[in-house]
Amino acid sequence: DAKTTQPPSMDCAEGRAANLPCNHSTISGNEYVYWYRQIHSQGPQYIIHGLKNNETNEMASLIITEDRKSSTLILPHATLRDTAVYYCIVRVVGGNKLVFGAGTILRVKS
Amino acid sequence: EADIYQTPRYLVIGTGKKITLECSQTMGHDKMYWYQQDPGMELHLIHYSYGVNSTEKGDLSSESTVSRIRTEHFPLTLESARPSHTSQYLCASSEWGNSPLHFGNGTRLTVT
Repeated sequence: DAKTTQPPSMDCAEGRAANLPCNHSTISGNEYVYWYRQIHSQGPQYIIHGLKNNETNEMASLIITEDRKSSTLILPHATLRDTAVYYCIVRVVGGNKLVFGAGTILRVKS
Repeated sequence: EADIYQTPRYLVIGTGKKITLECSQTMGHDKMYWYQQDPGMELHLIHYSYGVNSTEKGDLSSESTVSRIRTEHFPLTLESARPSHTSQYLCASSEWGNSPLHFGNGTRLTVT
């Protein structure tokens, strides 16, 4: 599975959009991009995933560049409860493992 | 909300004791996983299973063992706990294909 690179931390004002970047320059054509988040002392929570088209659900939007070498997770209106560690992961279809990196600590501030 | 349960939530135990961490899911998922996570650190895969009677070791070497006798149940056992086993243990499950993993809330183990 391709490795990902994320900034170690980011701050966002409450009510504003939070844009979390991820670099996956070695991604293969059959690898999906997944986003999870982990709030202190809980298990990771699935947010969204995509292959090459942009995706949106009730939690977030995922924007994948045309060359698929990077992506951005967008939380449209961040709240204090969105403060968490956000993990960007790439995984081959049907792959057995998700390899977690260090993630980005997002701090939403009032 | 995913239906995957881990017990106990917290466990403090003395060195040398045998322990089993329980993980059950009610979604009928074939794939199940155990991850280990130290505070503030990354998750590391220690065991996974494709289905009943299938178990594989993950990327991080672990002295624990697992079993998969029933689809819904994937317990993890430490035969003789040591302080180095102090960590959080997270269980997850998924369907086949590109389905996401569903995680339990973990067991935080402290070995004194």
